[in-house]
Amino acid sequence: EDQVTQSPEALRLQEGESSSLNCSYTVSGLRGLFWYRQDPGKGPEFLFTLYSAGEEKEKERLKATLTKKESFLHITAPKPEDSATYLCAVQAGSGYSTLTFGKGTMLLVSP
Amino acid sequence: ETGVTQSPTHLIKTRGQQVTLRCSSQSGHNTVSWYQQALGQGPQFIFQYYREEENGRGNFPPRFSGLQFPNYSSELNVNALELDDSALYLCASSLGTGGTQYFGPGTRLLVL
Repeated sequence: EDQVTQSPEALRLQEGESSSLNCSYTVSGLRGLFWYRQDPGKGPEFLFTLYSAGEEKEKERLKATLTKKESFLHITAPKPEDSATYLCAVQAGSGYSTLTFGKGTMLLVSP
Repeated sequence: ETGVTQSPTHLIKTRGQQVTLRCSSQSGHNTVSWYQQALGQGPQFIFQYYREEENGRGNFPPRFSGLQFPNYSSELNVNALELDDSALYLCASSLGTGGTQYFGPGTRLLVL
């Protein structure tokens, strides 16, 4: 059974204080690892897809990396508008492409 | 380009009733997946529709059913509602069954 564990559950940062969120996964045959951002009461917003170990992707203050067992979402010099829940999901195997999600990390950036 | 839309935005039902939620996929997308998200949890896969056929199902009972129409829009139907069905229901569309999934804003269902 595919499993995704995210840590920490919640993270409070001061504006400009860089940090990383962790996503550990166990899956048979990783097809892709996805990061989404979710604001309260809204649907998840797609950020990145990573396909193989060693891959990195960047978008503004966010950088996602992937190893064979985990992914990191690095946030550099965060701003209050980066406050949200960040969800990690894996897509595995063949056939239909279900996403298995972690519970998310709730990030709060204070001014 | 039109994104994924869902209706209604909020819904209140009583236990035992039936509900239908609707989703319009993003322009050009032919696959729709439905997820249930309880408070404080990540989304859980309900089922996926591709070419108007169910193409995979998560661990949800048969009272959760769906449809996909020729224009790729989709419906989620839930019969005999239970209190635990209260959640945010998310629809995601993709180009093909393996494509990146883009989510709609969700429908918040409250069962009393």
